[in-house]
Amino acid sequence: NAGVTQTPKFRVLKTGQSMTLLCAQDMNHEYMYWYRQDPGMGLRLIHYSVGEGTTAKGEVPDGYNVSRLKKQNFLLGLESAAPSQTSVYFCASSYGWVSEQYFGPGTRLTVT
Amino acid sequence: AQSVTQLGSHVSVSEGALVLLRCNYSSSVPPYLFWYVQYPNQGLQLLLKYTSAATLVKGINGFEAEFKKSETSFHLTKPSAHMSDAAEYFCAVSDNTDKLIFGTGTRLQVFP
Repeated sequence: NAGVTQTPKFRVLKTGQSMTLLCAQDMNHEYMYWYRQDPGMGLRLIHYSVGEGTTAKGEVPDGYNVSRLKKQNFLLGLESAAPSQTSVYFCASSYGWVSEQYFGPGTRLTVT
Repeated sequence: AQSVTQLGSHVSVSEGALVLLRCNYSSSVPPYLFWYVQYPNQGLQLLLKYTSAATLVKGINGFEAEFKKSETSFHLTKPSAHMSDAAEYFCAVSDNTDKLIFGTGTRLQVFP
């Protein structure tokens, strides 16, 4: 099993550009999450999904959109990137909300 | 609203010394509590979790944590630090919602 994978690993964007981050899990998990990690701020939840076709806002959803068209995939989109979105993005998945979350290796995004 | 406070963004210990990482939580209902570890350039992985069973929870790599309701604390300890324990540690809380709230993290340094 690959677990949770994220594509790409690194990306540099110019302000105003768009991109999509892909998260895939092969553990048949219902729940999937997108976090951003910034120095001194820990992990903050952007959006999450409790099953295929569902999405919900987390703590910092502005400027991001998500889709969960297939159970194994969770996409995070930036429609118009801003320097404030420079961060490391982590995807995670779990069986349920009190279950262990399994994290991907992260995507380091720089917006110039 | 639930929240987590990790006292001390950096902790340094000598190899073989006691490790104590502090976590205090705020929750209106009995919480579920977690400790995750993040090694450099990796995603987070679960160390241990408390789900209202035994108040002393044992995790991987010799770590344990004790749930103290009267102190609203869930401190992480290890009797004897090893060089390989150097990492960032995150406490997280969930109070019957679909989400975890993470603390800001504590970076552990271990000196020979």
